[in-house]
Parts: sequence; structure tokens; C-alpha cells
Amino acid sequence: GESVGLHLPTLSVQEGDNSIINCAYSNSASDYFIWYKQESGKGPQFIIDIRSNMDKRQGQRVTVLLNKTVKHLSLQIAATQPGDSAVYFCAETADSSYKLIFGSGTRLLVRP
Amino acid sequence: EPEVTQTPSHQVTQMGQEVILRCVPISNHLYFYWYRQILGQKVEFLVSFYNNEISEKSEIFDDQFSVERPDGSNFTLKIRSTKLEDSAMYFCASSETGTTGNEQFFGPGTRLTVL
Repeated sequence: GESVGLHLPTLSVQEGDNSIINCAYSNSASDYFIWYKQESGKGPQFIIDIRSNMDKRQGQRVTVLLNKTVKHLSLQIAATQPGDSAVYFCAETADSSYKLIFGSGTRLLVRP
Repeated sequence: EPEVTQTPSHQVTQMGQEVILRCVPISNHLYFYWYRQILGQKVEFLVSFYNNEISEKSEIFDDQFSVERPDGSNFTLKIRSTKLEDSAMYFCASSETGTTGNEQFFGPGTRLTVL
């Protein structure tokens, strides 16, 4: 289930540091955004979501920021841990659709 | 914790053969989805299914593809005559409702290899 990609951007961080993963989305009509984590051998796993009427949402150790002006989404992970190593995807959807549109993914590597 | 399961984990087939990928969605979910991920590329939506019919499909989901809920638990994706370019990871997902904001839970995927 891993998104093994020769061309995946990679973010390497030291354990304990904060991580910021960025995503540009394409559809200005999208009104709901989700971050997924994909570990090796598994399917995408929901992390956090945000609706377009918000610009920030916090979860446990994670924060999602939404900038609709420039169609940009970011995921911040506080105190990154080795278990956070995975590929992270943003996804968007519009109210008129059931489908999720995924971004290309970022590989996060956490150095011990 | 309830989860989406998929079988087989890996399917190898010859070009032109039919394959059926199987999924068991979470039991109280009503909406079902198939996505695929070609190696090195994005996860792509194929189809959504509700109330025993397709509710939305992508351009990828052509006449070679079909979906079915043959009983109360399984959800299948059939590819009638596989092509080399169908080689990918296929993910099944399910959600309680189809409304925006309702989380889609993904299975672990089936790796399809077409030779």
C-alpha cells in the first residue's frame, strides 16, 4: 500500500522537531480538505480534516492550515516521532461530489 | 476497531484475463469506493457506490470495469480484460454517509500485477 515514488518530495526531520508538509490544491470549488498518512503496506489513514469556512484546525500533535487565497494547505506535526515516518497526502473534495482528489504526496523521514 | 479488509493482497494475472478484487467494507457504512494508485503516482478515484448503484465514476472507470455488492458484506471490483496499464494498487474505501466531511476509511489495498 505504500506510495513508492521515485519522484516523491521528501522531508527529513530530526526526531522531536516540528514538521511542516505543504500541499497546493487545484479546485477553487473544493470545500473540504483532508490529510492522509500512508505507511508501508497499508492504505491511506485519516489524520485531520478542515472545511473551507475555517483556516486552522488542531488535533493531537497535528495542525492543518488552509489558505484559500493561494489554494494552499499545510500539515504541521509537533514533536515528530519515528512513528510519523510515512507518505502524507492531502485530498480535496467539493460538496457536489463523493470523490476525493489526492495530491501527489510527500515522504516524511524522521531521523533518530 | 472496525476496518475495511481487502483480498487478495497481491494478484498476478495475464493480460486479457478477468480479475475480481474483493472488499469487505465497515459493516454500518453505506457508501463504498474504489481508488487506484499506479506506482509512483497519485491515488486516483475510480467509482463510488450507494444503494446498489454507481453514484459517481471517473474517466478511468470505463466499460472494462464494473462493481457489485453481491451480498450484504462484500463489494467487488471486476476488470474484464486486464491491460498492462491496469497494474496498480487498488484501494477500497467506505463511509457512513456520502456527505462532505464524512470520513472515508481505506482498506490495505490489493496490488494487481498484469503480465
